Amino acid sequence: AQSVTQPDIHITVSEGASLELRCNYSYGATPYLFWYVQSPGQGLQLLLKYFSGDTLVQGIKGFEAEFKRSQSSFNLRKPSVHWSDAAEYFCAVAGNAGKSTFGDGTTLTVKP
Amino acid sequence: GAGVSQSPSNKVTEKGKDVELRCDPISGHTALYWYRQSLGQGLEFLIYFQGNSAPDKSGLPSDRFSAERTGGSVSTLTIQRTQQEDSAVYLCASSSPSGGPYGELFFGEGSRLTVL
Repeated sequence: AQSVTQPDIHITVSEGASLELRCNYSYGATPYLFWYVQSPGQGLQLLLKYFSGDTLVQGIKGFEAEFKRSQSSFNLRKPSVHWSDAAEYFCAVAGNAGKSTFGDGTTLTVKP
Repeated sequence: GAGVSQSPSNKVTEKGKDVELRCDPISGHTALYWYRQSLGQGLEFLIYFQGNSAPDKSGLPSDRFSAERTGGSVSTLTIQRTQQEDSAVYLCASSSPSGGPYGELFFGEGSRLTVL
């Protein structure tokens, strides 16, 4: 069965600092991986996705993620965090005819 | 509208009552999903519709939960005899056939259900 683990429930960073959110997945075949962001009271919005090819993928809002098959990881990064990045971030893996499994999310707080 | 629309945005009900939650996906999207998000938790898959195929109901937590999708478009999630543990935000998402079976999910803003 597919699964996603986001080890960090809550992360706090200072504005302008770099960010890395961790995601580990379990899936028997080639994974299809996603990062979504959820702002308070909003639905989820896709940040980026990995299907195949280059293991470093670029997304919206200056985010990127790197797929590492050997570590079963798909960590999200941003070189300089803005206050507007405060939100909840979800990693997801797709399989089984498109059904996506989500991690429990990481809440990001940005200090001024 | 251009996005996934869900109604009601908020619903407060008494234990034992039935509730219906509605989802109107993006026009042309053939896949439709329901997820449940409990406080501080991730997204729990409930049910998945893809075109005219039989839905994947493997995530429905009990037989009190059911969903239908009429005409390949609007979907209704029904919870019968609601319990307090049903309190959560119910999210609907749709995806385009052009994105393939693993395409991006477009989410609505959710229906927040509170069972007293």
